[in-house]
Amino acid sequence: RKEVEQDPGPFNVPEGATVAFNCTYSNSASQSFFWYRQDCRKEPKLLMSVYSSGNEDGRFTAQLNRASQYISLLIRDSKLSDSATYLCVVTTGGFKTIFGAGTRLFVKA
Amino acid sequence: GAVVSQHPSWVICKSGTSVKIECRSLDFQATTMFWYRQFPKQSLMLMATSNEGSKATYEQGVEKDKFLINHASLTLSTLTVTSAHPEDSSFYICSASSLAPLTMNTEAFFGQGTRLTVV
Repeated sequence: RKEVEQDPGPFNVPEGATVAFNCTYSNSASQSFFWYRQDCRKEPKLLMSVYSSGNEDGRFTAQLNRASQYISLLIRDSKLSDSATYLCVVTTGGFKTIFGAGTRLFVKA
Repeated sequence: GAVVSQHPSWVICKSGTSVKIECRSLDFQATTMFWYRQFPKQSLMLMATSNEGSKATYEQGVEKDKFLINHASLTLSTLTVTSAHPEDSSFYICSASSLAPLTMNTEAFFGQGTRLTVV
């Protein structure tokens, strides 16, 4: 089993749609959780951290369920510029960072 | 946020030659850095963990004699692809982790990546 697993993509949605990504992790001792965004041929950039209490940043909402070892990202009112690959990222002890395979999102006009 | 600088951003080399990629943390000390490889349409795969002052820890399936990692200081790690072959052509990215001051969560900061093409 992979350490971090994500929904397979790609997701093709129209502008304005709401889209949700899911991610599960296998190591119960994982410490920190993030969503990164990666544009084609670019390095990943931090989108947002994920906390147990849930956190929201504009159109983006992230949730963490430690009991189920599950992370989610919700994007509301999708924009064309949201088209990218979204990576679920988990950090274990010693700063080791594990990436999910990524989910590609295509937002179309 | 913290800044990690990677150089070069792209390189083309002949088969059989060696290529060195540098990764620098510009405004923080990174005792640990990570090297990833990303093939087209695939995710980042951790190759090795670079530890300052000691040997790197390689992931299963990554040849340590082919991918030489040196972490001589708290701000610099280098990856050398030795005797490169066309199948080594990939996007190589380094990262360094730091504690976010407000959340105390570790965050990964990435270099810009190096696109290696071996011909």
